[in-house]
Formats: sequence, C-alpha cells, structure tokens
Amino acid sequence: SQQGEEDPQALSIQEGENATMNCSYKTSINNLQWYRQNSGRGLVHLILIRSNEREKHSGRLRVTLDTSKKSSSLLITASRAADTASYFCATARTSNTDKLIFGTGTRLQVFP
Amino acid sequence: DVKVTQSSRYLVKRTGEKVFLECVQDMDHENMFWYRQDPGLGLRLIYFSYDVKMKEKGDIPEGYSVSREKKERFSLILESASTNQTSMYLCASSYLGQAQEKLFFGSGTQLSVL
Repeated sequence: SQQGEEDPQALSIQEGENATMNCSYKTSINNLQWYRQNSGRGLVHLILIRSNEREKHSGRLRVTLDTSKKSSSLLITASRAADTASYFCATARTSNTDKLIFGTGTRLQVFP
Repeated sequence: DVKVTQSSRYLVKRTGEKVFLECVQDMDHENMFWYRQDPGLGLRLIYFSYDVKMKEKGDIPEGYSVSREKKERFSLILESASTNQTSMYLCASSYLGQAQEKLFFGSGTQLSVL
C-alpha cells in the first residue's frame, strides 16, 4: 500500500509564484524525501528531512515535517517554468528499513 | 555524478514474450531496485538486491524475476509478458545501508505489451 499521499494531485501557477505541495503518511518514519520527475524521465532526489528535524532548506526549496500530524510540505519559492514536473514524497518507515515508499505525486505546471 | 543507465527508453513487446530490462550503475552501489510506475498508483517496488546473486521481493513481484550476476548490473525479467505489465519501469541504486537514503534513478523504460 502507498504510504505517502500527496495533495494536490495537480497544481498550476504563474512564474514567480510560490508552489506548495503536501504529503501525508500513516506510520512512523526515519526520514521523508522529496523527488522530482520531469515528464517521461527518471526521478531526481531533491531533499531529505529526518524525523527529528522540523524544517530544511535547499536553494528555493523549503521542506517542513510535522511528525505529530504525519505530514510534510514542500515549498518552491519564486517558481520558474523549468520547475514544471511531478513531485513525489517518499517515506522511510521505521518498521521496514529495506526500502522507501513513494506517494502518487503532485503534477506542477508553471506558466511563463 | 552517479549514472544509472537503463538499456531502452521505449520497448514494444507481444503478449507471451520473454522480456529483459537491463540496468547498469557506475558508482559501485550495493543496493539496486526495480520499480514500476503507473498513473495514479505512484511507484511500486518489484524487486531489490543488496549484493551479487542476492534478491528480495518487493511489493509486487508476481510475474517478474530478477538477476544480479555482477554488482553493477541488475536485470528485470518478465517471463511471459502480459498486457497488464505495460508500464514505466524505473531502476534505482544506492549504497549499502542506505536503502532508505537517497536513491539514484535511471531514465526509465516505457514498456508496451501488445
């Protein structure tokens, strides 16, 4: 079963606006990661936040983690057309350290 | 930079054919993974491997097998392809002990079974 569920499923914004995507999960985790996928290509790792961290930044990316609510958000500031892609959260469950569980993704469209 | 290479970007096969999907990584990673990606279902783990000749079932192994004869190469085998195996297949790799850390993905193989 899918651990991470992203919302919204799709998001359309103008260049320069901020984009926020959310991920909810069900069980205890060691870390949560966000990946990006350009159309028809493989996934690229963006950022990892551990269960004892609340916020992390990487360039225009800001990730928050609320373990009490079992949720995370990814904020992309000052979006660019090149940010158009699908974004996936992936959770590392404490109960199964062999793998990551990926969500269904948010499809982001940034219009010039 | 780590490079994970999948041998084919697009593949069209007929029902009942035996299909081989190849994946090679150049960073001496111990862990290798095969996922399939379907719209609305996200990525689902088919098989993974921690070492040469070692394999573990993922969440949806039925209809698939794998082979890891060399550390850098992980092959996914569809013994008798069926139309419900039409999907995007993604290979990934990571260092030993980092199965839950950053994964490096190939570009994917879009398989169509007719």
